[in-house]
Amino acid sequence: EVQLVESGGGLVKPGGSLRLSCAASGFTFSSYSMNWVRQAPGKGLEWVSSISSSSIYIYYADSVKGRFTISRDNAKNSVYLQMNSLRADDTAVYYCATDSWSGFFFDFWGPGTLVTVSS
Amino acid sequence: EIVLTQSPGTLSLSPGERATLSCRASQSVTSSFLAWYQQKPGQAPRLLIYDASSRATGIPDRFSGSGSGTDFTLTISRLEPEDFAVYYCQQYGRSPRTFGQGTKVEIK
Repeated sequence: EVQLVESGGGLVKPGGSLRLSCAASGFTFSSYSMNWVRQAPGKGLEWVSSISSSSIYIYYADSVKGRFTISRDNAKNSVYLQMNSLRADDTAVYYCATDSWSGFFFDFWGPGTLVTVSS
Repeated sequence: EIVLTQSPGTLSLSPGERATLSCRASQSVTSSFLAWYQQKPGQAPRLLIYDASSRATGIPDRFSGSGSGTDFTLTISRLEPEDFAVYYCQQYGRSPRTFGQGTKVEIK
């Protein structure tokens, strides 16, 4: 059974940093691209970042480019999101999600971790 | 970027009724690379449909997707109590991947 579990969320002040982690199990992690998708309170979904299976291809939404860094460790079956220069509008539930083998849609999702940016 | 507009914003229906949800793209979606997700309160989204009309594993056949180009539809043939939720469309034909704003299907 595919499992994704995010951690690392919490309350941080504007301008601060946070590192999110996503631990994966139940599938061959090293073969799949991984993503972070976020959802502000009461709002819709926003794709944040993607990383290919071997970390060669990395993409970011314009809203986070230059502030967030995605990475992965295939030996630890984990993907990370380093978030710097956080702003109030980064407040959201952050989901880790797999790319499908057959396309760039999101096959499996973790339960999410809440990041709150507030003074 | 491709903007997806979902309508209606809220759909009020009774169990057993048919639900028709629309997703319109600001430009043509390459190769019908469009997915639908269901999200219940406090839960992560769940993949329902991909490539506009292919059901994901384990999704009941009362859910169906159709469309191409700029107009796509998710149909729930007979609403079950567990189908009342928010539904999002997402295109993956062009970067960045984008979502619609969602349609809430609520009990009438």
